[in-house]
Amino acid sequence: NAGVTQTPKFRVLKTGQSMTLLCAQDMNHEYMYWYRQDPGMGLRLIHYSVGEGTTAKGEVPDGYNVSRLKKQNFLLGLESAAPSQTSVYFCASSYQAGLYTEAFFGQGTRLTVV
Amino acid sequence: QQQVKQSPQSLIVQKGGISIINCAYENTAFDYFPWYQQFPGKGPALLIAIRPDVSEKKEGRFTISFNKSAKQFSLHIMDSQPGDSATYFCAASRRGTYKYIFGTGTRLKVLA
Repeated sequence: NAGVTQTPKFRVLKTGQSMTLLCAQDMNHEYMYWYRQDPGMGLRLIHYSVGEGTTAKGEVPDGYNVSRLKKQNFLLGLESAAPSQTSVYFCASSYQAGLYTEAFFGQGTRLTVV
Repeated sequence: QQQVKQSPQSLIVQKGGISIINCAYENTAFDYFPWYQQFPGKGPALLIAIRPDVSEKKEGRFTISFNKSAKQFSLHIMDSQPGDSATYFCAASRRGTYKYIFGTGTRLKVLA
């Protein structure tokens, strides 16, 4: 049981380049999330999805786009990378039902934009 | 907008001691308060969680204390061990939103 898998684990981009981060979950979860983690700022929500074909903005969506074409996958795109997007990115997923739902996280993607 | 304030930013405790991490929230609509534990190079994982209808929840050496009137909750780690060295995040969520607001994290180091 793999849980939540993120690819790639590490990436270095030049300013202005684009890339896509892939998140895959095998728990049949409806909800999926993308967070970024920066020192002293905790985990901040970028975008999230409450089901296949739906996406919504989180706290810090600017400069990112997402897609949820399949229930098990949630893609995060950077169209034109900026140094301010250097961060560790985490994908998470959770069950649909219930008020108190545990979020399961992937192992993260460390992105450096130079 | 930071809705969950966490302190301290870092904490050093001797083996066998008690580690205490505090969080305060602003939104009284929050109704679920989990704590996540993150080891270096790993994603956060749920450690323990509490609902506001109880004042305390204990699981092994880990206890959450909740003060609804003060809008504060804290994590206590009894008999702290070097294996507890990690970053701890408090979080809060509100029913129907399925989103979590995380604190800024506390890096705990337990000395052997």
